[in-house]
Amino acid sequence: DAMVIQNPRYQVTQFGKPVTLSCSQTLNHNVMYWYQQKSSQAPKLLFHYYDKDFNNEADTPDNFQSRRPNTSFCFLDIRSPGLGDAAMYLCATEQGATSGRETQYFGPGTRLLVL
Amino acid sequence: SQQGEEDPQALSIQEGENATMNCSYKTSINNLQWYRQNSGRGLVHLILIRSNEREKHSGRLRVTLDTSKKSSSLLITASRAADTASYFCATSGSQGNLIFGKGTKLSVKP
Repeated sequence: DAMVIQNPRYQVTQFGKPVTLSCSQTLNHNVMYWYQQKSSQAPKLLFHYYDKDFNNEADTPDNFQSRRPNTSFCFLDIRSPGLGDAAMYLCATEQGATSGRETQYFGPGTRLLVL
Repeated sequence: SQQGEEDPQALSIQEGENATMNCSYKTSINNLQWYRQNSGRGLVHLILIRSNEREKHSGRLRVTLDTSKKSSSLLITASRAADTASYFCATSGSQGNLIFGKGTKLSVKP
């Protein structure tokens, strides 16, 4: 089945130790998003790719970077995780049709714990 | 910035009862979406209603939209224990991203 896959589902890292979260999709969608969701809060956009075009949110910390080597994969790199970066990280895709931005398809998320 | 505000923040009902959640938003929209999130999981798209629509149905879900009041409601009829989840309304931001409200945490007791 076509889907959005995130690996790993759970990630434990040490304070300051770089970590990479992975997202892949079989939907062949143009747009891929990374959201951060802290406990009991709404998801918040970090950045997104429209094809190879990278779009960063103004308030996304420099500590967060992203790579999209091809249509199917997108990575979230946290260069020096702090305790405040512990959260659920959600990847989502969207077809990106010219009719407008509509339904997004979410992966199951990666829960990051920083020790 | 947050666009939607859900009300109530938490709702507890018995199985078989109806659950109504409300969402208010601030700016003009092209469409409004509702998503469900089971505890510790990703979001699942439930329904999209366009700005020129007033009501939409999908199975046990009924969504209304009042653009004059900038509000939407989600009704789940004949609720089941499996409906226990958080429900978010979302509108589109300038980047095409979704801007979510804080969500309503629904608990359906068997």
